[in-house]
Amino acid sequence: QQQVKQSPQSLIVQKGGIPIINCAYENTAFDYFPWYQQFPGKGPALLIAIRPDVSEKKEGRFTISFNKSAKQFSLHIMDSQPGDSATYFCAASKGFQKLVFGTGTRLLVSP
Amino acid sequence: DAGITQSPRHKVTETGTPVTLRCHQTENHRYMYWYRQDPGHGLRLIHYSYGVKDTDKGEVSDGYSVSRSKTEDFLLTLESATSSQTSVYFCAISDSGGQETQYFGPGTRLLVL
Repeated sequence: QQQVKQSPQSLIVQKGGIPIINCAYENTAFDYFPWYQQFPGKGPALLIAIRPDVSEKKEGRFTISFNKSAKQFSLHIMDSQPGDSATYFCAASKGFQKLVFGTGTRLLVSP
Repeated sequence: DAGITQSPRHKVTETGTPVTLRCHQTENHRYMYWYRQDPGHGLRLIHYSYGVKDTDKGEVSDGYSVSRSKTEDFLLTLESATSSQTSVYFCAISDSGGQETQYFGPGTRLLVL
C-alpha cells in the first residue's frame, strides 16, 4: 500500500524551465512533508519541508505548494539548471512516526 | 554525508549466504535507520533503532535483522540472502525520531546471485 503517491516517474526539462513534481497522500493525520534530493551515487539529502499550516514555502529556487483539501503537495524548481538533475523524493509523516517516502522522480535538466 | 559511513560499499554474494552491512556514525544521534532503495518503490524502511539495544521493525523487515550494541554502530544482517534482496541499502540517522532531518549515508550496493 503506497501511502504517498508521487508523479511523474521521470521528467525532462530544458534549462530555465520549471519542473513540477506532484505527491498525493491519503492519511489526513500526516503533518510533515519533506522533499529529499538524491544525486547519482549519493544518499538522499533534505531539500525543503513544509507543514500543513502554510500553503507555500520557498527556499531559493525551490518551492513547495501544499493543498490540504486536495491532500496534495508539489515541488517546483524555478529557473532549473543542469545541476538540479537528480532524483527527488517526497515524504510524509505524522507526529513521531516514521517517514513514508514516495517512489521518486528522476529529473533531467538539459543544457 | 554528515559523519555517516557504510561498509562495505559494494558486495556480491550468493543466495543462501549470510550478509552483514555496517553503518557507523560520528554524530552521536539517537535514531538510526536502514532503508532499501529499489526502482519503482522509492525508499522503504527496513528497521530502525531509537537507542542502544532498542530496535523496531519497518515496513519491509522480513528476512532482515538488526543490532545496535553501541550508539555509533547499527548492523543490518540478511540471515540467508535471496535474489529479492538485491538492492541499494541506505543507513540514515536523526537526532530525534520525530520530524527532524534524516541524514543519509552513501549507500551499499548489494547483488545477490
